[in-house]
Amino acid sequence: KNEVEQSPQNLTAQEGEFITINCSYSVGISALHWLQQHPGGGIVSLFMLSSGKKKHGRLIATINIQEKHSSLHITASHPRDSAVYICAADSGGGADGLTFGKGTHLIIQP
Amino acid sequence: DGGITQSPKYLFRKEGQNVTLSCEQNLNHDAMYWYRQDPGQGLRLIYYSQIVNDFQKGDIAEGYSVSREKKESFPLTVTSAQKNPTAFYLCASSTVINTEAFFGQGTRLTVV
Repeated sequence: KNEVEQSPQNLTAQEGEFITINCSYSVGISALHWLQQHPGGGIVSLFMLSSGKKKHGRLIATINIQEKHSSLHITASHPRDSAVYICAADSGGGADGLTFGKGTHLIIQP
Repeated sequence: DGGITQSPKYLFRKEGQNVTLSCEQNLNHDAMYWYRQDPGQGLRLIYYSQIVNDFQKGDIAEGYSVSREKKESFPLTVTSAQKNPTAFYLCASSTVINTEAFFGQGTRLTVV
């Protein structure tokens, strides 16, 4: 069974700072997901990565398959980025579902 | 647009009552999943289904039941046997072959 570790668990930063959230997993995967969970619980899917790098607005996600590691970056952070960010490892085929990290609670202060 | 719909977003129930959470997808996905999230913990798998009329227990299935009578629908019933039902519940779906998973918005259940 895959084990997924996220760091840091909590992160408080000032508006405008560059943010990095890390995710490592123990078993090779076919894809890795980054999710954003807003206060109140609503989930938004940010990225699905199989290799390399993806960018959407101020969000960048990278994955290193050999090192079993992924990072989520936020450039020019804003208070509206405050949320819980969750990575999820998909071991392939979809049949066994996903293994989720515990999440990183990000607070961006004005 | 295709996607997954969970309803309701917030749900309140009295202790001892069964409650059913809805999950519908129009993505033509074969596989569907239910997860539970508790404070300070990652999402954990409750049940999953790879095909209509078939489903498998996940890591924390006790106190829950599901059905998969239609490909589009995978409702989760939280029974009175579930000792700590208050939690956030997330539904997901994927094709069995492709790895791309799609997620619902989630339902926050509070039992009082």
